Amino acid sequence: IQMTQSPSLLSASVGDRVTLSCKAGQNINNYLAWYQQKLGEAPKLLIYNANSLQTGIPSRFSGSGSGTDYTLTISSLQPEDVATYFCQQYNSWNTFGAGTKLELK
Amino acid sequence: EVQLVESGGGLVQPGRSLKLSCAASGFTFSDYNMAWVRQAPKKGLEWVATISYDGSSTYYRDSVKGRFTISRDNAKSTLYLQMDSLRSEDTATYYCARRTVFDYWGQGVMVTVSS
Repeated sequence: IQMTQSPSLLSASVGDRVTLSCKAGQNINNYLAWYQQKLGEAPKLLIYNANSLQTGIPSRFSGSGSGTDYTLTISSLQPEDVATYFCQQYNSWNTFGAGTKLELK
Repeated sequence: EVQLVESGGGLVQPGRSLKLSCAASGFTFSDYNMAWVRQAPKKGLEWVATISYDGSSTYYRDSVKGRFTISRDNAKSTLYLQMDSLRSEDTATYYCARRTVFDYWGQGVMVTVSS
């Protein structure tokens, strides 16, 4: 299943509400996860089952969506959120999106 | 604290073999499916293989089927990836990860396939 993320690069200011999109090539039944990867580090799970927040992740992160269209929202961007964000579908095997690089404006 | 520590990476010539290991601690290893995920330099994430909690089932992406073998030793809490007939396109950082939704990751180990 192809996963398409947009935009590929996003510039935002501290305090902004940020929205990242992920579109699946077919219905993935909410089997969608979001990961954050900071430079030089392993990915970190943020959201699973489309909208469930992983333990220990700040509440400014949230996930939504259904069917083929999903969104990761950061309610108030912090400097430490600078990273690349990947979505992953696990409805049928595993595929990742190409990522959205989030930088500070 | 959950820890996953990979080892065994390095520089290898095309067509040769390499075996990666992932030592797990901080959780009951035998309760969880485990996986390998790779990331080519400056590229995205790519799932490689998954093994069930008891080792009875294994799954691979098409590009590594017949060349890579995932296995585990639950007595040693260790996950393995045997990589044979390596190609330049296998060059990547290889991560071991817990579960199907990858809730914990190792720090990664670099594999470079080059002559």
